[in-house]
Amino acid sequence: GENVEQHPSTLSVQEGDSAVIKCTYSDSASNYFPWYKQELGKGPQLIIDIRSNVGEKKDQRIAVTLNKTAKHFSLHITETQPEDSAVYFCAASGDSNYQLIWGAGTKLIIKP
Amino acid sequence: DAGITQSPRHKVTETGTPVTLRCHQTENHRYMYWYRQDPGHGLRLIHYSYGVKDTDKGEVSDGYSVSRSKTEDFLLTLESATSSQTSVYFCAISDPGLVGNEQFFGPGTRLTVL
Repeated sequence: GENVEQHPSTLSVQEGDSAVIKCTYSDSASNYFPWYKQELGKGPQLIIDIRSNVGEKKDQRIAVTLNKTAKHFSLHITETQPEDSAVYFCAASGDSNYQLIWGAGTKLIIKP
Repeated sequence: DAGITQSPRHKVTETGTPVTLRCHQTENHRYMYWYRQDPGHGLRLIHYSYGVKDTDKGEVSDGYSVSRSKTEDFLLTLESATSSQTSVYFCAISDPGLVGNEQFFGPGTRLTVL
């Protein structure tokens, strides 16, 4: 079955700098790759997603890139702000079901 | 939280007692999920439902059962709670009519088994 690995587990960056979180997946049939943000005491919330027919997608300061050949995808946050501090999860799924396979999460710390 | 509520939000119980957690949605979404979240493990799927009375196991289903008698309610039962089931439990919903497989999450239930 599908397996998703996420790195790093903790990332500390200076406010204003960029942050990059990387995930790899094992099932070449996976075609949907969302990223979720979880703030303290809340459930995860979708922030951006990408399908396998697209190599990159941007939404303001957030971007996701996908390399299907290498089976990895990354989340890029530019000009980080204090409110970006949270835990970020990547996930993957295919068309065959509505289950998401989740990475273990990355705690992003923005230093003032 | 996209019309999803979980009850109770916090519960402390003793080993060996039965516990039922409730997830209620007002979105009429077809799919409902129960996850547990533990440090270092991210989100792990316990059970999910793809319709009324239609459920299936996830990767960590041992010791848990579920029921869905109505579209809006999905119950998670720990028949005899153990300390290893101390965790934060999240309910999520999704629907085939949505673009992609976006899941919407409830606020979570923190369960402590003493």
